[in-house]
Amino acid sequence: GQSLEQPSEVTAVEGAIVQINCTYQTSGFYGLSWYQQHDGGAPTFLSYNALDGLEETGRFSSFLSRSDSYGYLLLQELQMKDSASYFCAVYNAGNMLTFGGGTRLMVKP
Amino acid sequence: DGGITQSPKYLFRKEGQNVTLSCEQNLNHDAMYWYRQDPGQGLRLIYYSQIVNDFQKGDIAEGYSVSREKKESFPLTVTSAQKNPTAFYLCASSATGASGNTIYFGEGSWLTVV
Repeated sequence: GQSLEQPSEVTAVEGAIVQINCTYQTSGFYGLSWYQQHDGGAPTFLSYNALDGLEETGRFSSFLSRSDSYGYLLLQELQMKDSASYFCAVYNAGNMLTFGGGTRLMVKP
Repeated sequence: DGGITQSPKYLFRKEGQNVTLSCEQNLNHDAMYWYRQDPGQGLRLIYYSQIVNDFQKGDIAEGYSVSREKKESFPLTVTSAQKNPTAFYLCASSATGASGNTIYFGEGSWLTVV
């Protein structure tokens, strides 16, 4: 089977940096994705890591270590609009995405 | 504009009734998916389809049925056999191959059993 673990909730202040970790167990691993979802809305794609290392896209970065079955999403210069749920998802053979339970990020002034 | 359209946005169903949620995409994607999301929870895969006229069960297929008669359409029927159907339902699609790692979601359908 497949499983993903991420913290259920994280709180940070505006302007700070926050890291959301994700550990996974799966077979046929291709890569790790991150999605953002605001309350009542649809998840939107943030990043995808197929290889080890750090991928940077503006204020957001994502890291993957395949040997450790571990990744993280790094959010810098936090803004109030970053308050949302963040999901890691494993992309594996069969063109499927399996999602973690999500991390609710609350950004405070 | 290209995208995924789900309808209806909100739906109320009486116990014992079947209901069908519509999902249409004009992204020319081969793969389509249905996920269920309960409040404060993650997304769980119900069914997915890689090509027309073919689909596979996901992790929680019991009480649901799908069809894929056209590339752009992947309707989900929530049957009376689904014991706890009240949830947020998300349809998604993706291209296959190298770009298949990105899934695009519709805006979702809220189903409430009354």
